Amino acid sequence: ETGVTQTPRHLVMGMTNKKSLKCEQHLGHNAMYWYKQSAKKPLELMFVYSLEERVENNSVPSRFSPECPNSSHLFLHLHTLQPEDSALYLCASSQEAGRTGELFFGEGSRLTVL
Amino acid sequence: GESVGLHLPTLSVQEGDNSIINCAYSNSASDYFIWYKQESGKGPQFIIDIRSNMDKRQGQRVTVLLNKTVKHLSLQIAATQPGDSAVYFCAENEEGFKTIFGAGTRLFVKA
Repeated sequence: ETGVTQTPRHLVMGMTNKKSLKCEQHLGHNAMYWYKQSAKKPLELMFVYSLEERVENNSVPSRFSPECPNSSHLFLHLHTLQPEDSALYLCASSQEAGRTGELFFGEGSRLTVL
Repeated sequence: GESVGLHLPTLSVQEGDNSIINCAYSNSASDYFIWYKQESGKGPQFIIDIRSNMDKRQGQRVTVLLNKTVKHLSLQIAATQPGDSAVYFCAENEEGFKTIFGAGTRLFVKA
C-alpha cells in the first residue's frame, strides 16, 4: 500500500478514443504530479499541481489534459493520442510543491496506443 | 540543459557483496538529491536522500555519498540481497517542486 492509487493499471486505446487516468492520494499531501516513463528514457515530468492549482506544465502536447478537482485527486484526460504516447504514466504526491522532499509514487498506468 | 545521468545502465553483483551505483549531475545549483528504487511493475520508491550541505548519509544497509566538487552521487548497498534487484534512479531537486531523474541503473543480484 503506497498511499497513492492509480487506475486503471492497464489501458489499451485507439488513436481516436478518449480515456482518462485517475490518481488518488491518501497521504494528506498538497502537491500532485504526473510523470511519463518510456523505455530507456528518464522519467519526464508532465504536470505539477499545488493545492489544486497547476504550477508546472512541461511543454506537454494538448492531447494530454490534466484535472485536479481537489488536493486528493488528479486526472489525466487522453484524447487522440499517438502510438509514441504509449508509456507508463506515474502519479506522485508530496507534502508541498515548493519545498524539497520525497515523492510518493503510485504503481502507474500502463498505456498502449494502437 | 541541466541533466542528471548515470554512468552504467546495468550492474550485476553476487548476493552478499556490496553494490555501488553511480550518478553524475550537472546542475551545480541543485541542493537536494534522492535515490529511488523501482521494482518491476511498481512505481519508484524513496530509498535515501541527502542535502548539499552533507557529503555522506547512512540508512539501513544503504549509504549515499555526495561529491559536489565533481558533481557525483553514489549509492552503496551493503550485503546485497536478491530483493535489491531493481532499477535505481538518482534524482535532483531544483528549487522545490521540479525533481529531475536520471536514466536509471538496473541492478541484478546473482544468487
